[in-house]
Formats: sequence, structure tokens, C-alpha cells
Amino acid sequence: ETGVTQSPTHLIKTRGQQVTLRCSSQSGHNTVSWYQQALGQGPQFIFQYYREEENGRGNFPPRFSGLQFPNYSSELNVNALELDDSALYLCASSRHRDSTNTGELFFGEGSRLTVL
Amino acid sequence: DAKTTQPNSMESNEEEPVHLPCNHSTISGTDYIHWYRQLPSQGPEYVIHGLTSNVNNRMASLAIAEDRKSSTLILHRATLRDAAVYYCILNGPNTGNQFYFGTGTSLTVIP
Repeated sequence: ETGVTQSPTHLIKTRGQQVTLRCSSQSGHNTVSWYQQALGQGPQFIFQYYREEENGRGNFPPRFSGLQFPNYSSELNVNALELDDSALYLCASSRHRDSTNTGELFFGEGSRLTVL
Repeated sequence: DAKTTQPNSMESNEEEPVHLPCNHSTISGTDYIHWYRQLPSQGPEYVIHGLTSNVNNRMASLAIAEDRKSSTLILHRATLRDAAVYYCILNGPNTGNQFYFGTGTSLTVIP
């Protein structure tokens, strides 16, 4: 069991609404990555935050945005929700990749978002 | 994207070894090979990683081909708890040091 916690675990929204998902990283980790996992698919990389700035982004539109706080926790915000945004959203914390480590990811159990 | 190719599914009998293959013919010299697995209703978990040499840990072994264009994750004695989706992922400058998951191999363990 990792020390990464996510909230809420489940939520239901309607199309056009906005949602905020939260993630607390594991102790000693300074980097947070967010993934979207649709049913039956592998996790898709959304973005990564390091030192409170975006440090890499996958193929997701700007309505997906994030924040990282000084305590390394993070938020994922999604505006103008669409039906296809229904998915499991996974947060992963890690130490920043450098010469001493390869930045292995430690995942939370995810937030299940349903958009109606 | 640094891509990997894995079989969609595999089966194994309980308490027998399992060899999960992965092809990564476009791997670059600085890409690490990582394996993660995802048990039902859980987030992925790290299994093992390597660069050139074979690696062992308490969960599994990783055998890397000499030309690094393929690798094999070895579970020495499969248990029912090993039933999961296994992802082989390249990570390095070519991927922006990010982890891009494919669809993985779904492993079924037969009692």
C-alpha cells in the first residue's frame, strides 16, 4: 500500500460542469503525475508537476489543468466536462528523476468520475 | 513515443513460472525498461526496472536481451494474487522522462 491518497473516491457530474480532484503525495516525494484511465484501457498521461510547475504534458486539451502546492499535494481540474471524460483518474507521486533515481511512480487508488 | 509491444493476454497455472514478453525495437541507449502491474480495482504498482543487465527483486526478475530490443518479466511461481494487467514501459529522454502506459498484458492465473 502506497502513501498516496486521492479524494473523492467517486463522484458524478453533468456535462458542462467543472470538477476538482485532489491528491496527497507519499512522504519524501516531490513530484506528482496525473493519469486518466478509461474502462479497459491503460492509464493515459495527463501531466506532471514538479516544484509547483507543470513539468510535462500529454495529449490533453487546456481544459485539463492542475496545481501543485508547497507541501507537494496536487489538484487536477477539468472544466466544461464532456461525456468522454468519464474515467478513473489516477495520481502518482515520485521523487524527481535525476542521476540517483529513475522516478518510479507510486499510485493512489484513483477517483472514479462519471459524467452524465 | 518510445513504444512497446506486448501480447494482449496470457494464462498460467498456479505455482508455475510465467514469462511475460515485451518488444521495444526502437529503444534508445538511455531508455530504462520499467514494468508495472495493475491488480483489479487498484492503481498500478511498480514491479521492476532495468537498463542493460538482468535484474532481480522480491517480486520478479527482468531479463533484458543483449541488443535491448526485447525483455521478459519473469514471475517465478505464479499465485492467484499475481492475476493483473502487466505494463512494459520505456522511460528516458525520448519520453520526456515520463511514463506512457500501453494496454499491457492481462495475466490470468488458473488454480
